Amino acid sequence: LAKTTQPISMDSYEGQEVNITCSHNNIATNDYITWYQQFPSQGPRFIIQGYKTKVTNEVASLFIPADRKSSTLSLPRVSLSDTAVYYCLVGVYNTDKLIFGTGTRLQVFP
Amino acid sequence: GAVVSQHPSRVICKSGTSVKIECRSLDFQATTMFWYRQFPKQSLMLMATSNEGSKATYEQGVEKDKFLINHASLTLSTLTVTSAHPEDSSFYICSASLTSNRGYEQYFGPGTRLTVT
Repeated sequence: LAKTTQPISMDSYEGQEVNITCSHNNIATNDYITWYQQFPSQGPRFIIQGYKTKVTNEVASLFIPADRKSSTLSLPRVSLSDTAVYYCLVGVYNTDKLIFGTGTRLQVFP
Repeated sequence: GAVVSQHPSRVICKSGTSVKIECRSLDFQATTMFWYRQFPKQSLMLMATSNEGSKATYEQGVEKDKFLINHASLTLSTLTVTSAHPEDSSFYICSASLTSNRGYEQYFGPGTRLTVT
C-alpha cells in the first residue's frame, strides 16, 4: 500500500480556508485517495474520497493533480469544531486494508 | 445511514482476565470488518481483518491467540483480549466496509477504551 506523508500539525483561525496536502508518491493505478477526520476518543469519520481531478461534497473538497502523487483536502471556512486529526489514506478501490499514517493535527483558534 | 456501534464504550479489567468487545453494523451488512488499536497521541494501527464465516487475517506482530476475533454474522464481529495485561490498555476501534454509489468507504465505530489494572 502506498505510504502517505502529511504535515504533523497545522494551525488556523475560524472562518479561514484550510488546505492540507498529502504526498503519496508511490500511488498505484488502482488506488483511491480517502480522507478521514478523527476527534479525541472517537472513531474516524469519512470525509471525502477521490481518484483524480476534483471532488466536492457538503463538507470539503479534494484536489488531485494529474500525476496523482499528492492530494489536497480543502476545508472552507473552518470553525472551532473542525479541530481534529485528519488522515489521508490511499488504497485499492473495494479492497480490505486501510493503513493510517501519522495524520495532521489541525488546531482552529477563535 | 452506515452506523457502526461498539460495546462497551469503556471497560476496566484486572490483569489476567479476558475482555470481549462487540462491533455491530446497525443498518447495513458488512462482509468485512476491521479491528484497530490506537495508543494516546498515535495513529490507528490495523490489527486484523475479519471476514464473515472465516478466520481473521492478522497483521504482522499481532498475536492471534491473544486477540481472538469472531465474525459470526454480517453485522457482528467480536474481539476478545485474552489474559489482558496493562500494556494492552488502549483504544480499540472497529470498522466495517461498505460499497455504495459514493464509492468504497469504511465506517468506524466510536471505539472502546480498555484499561487493564
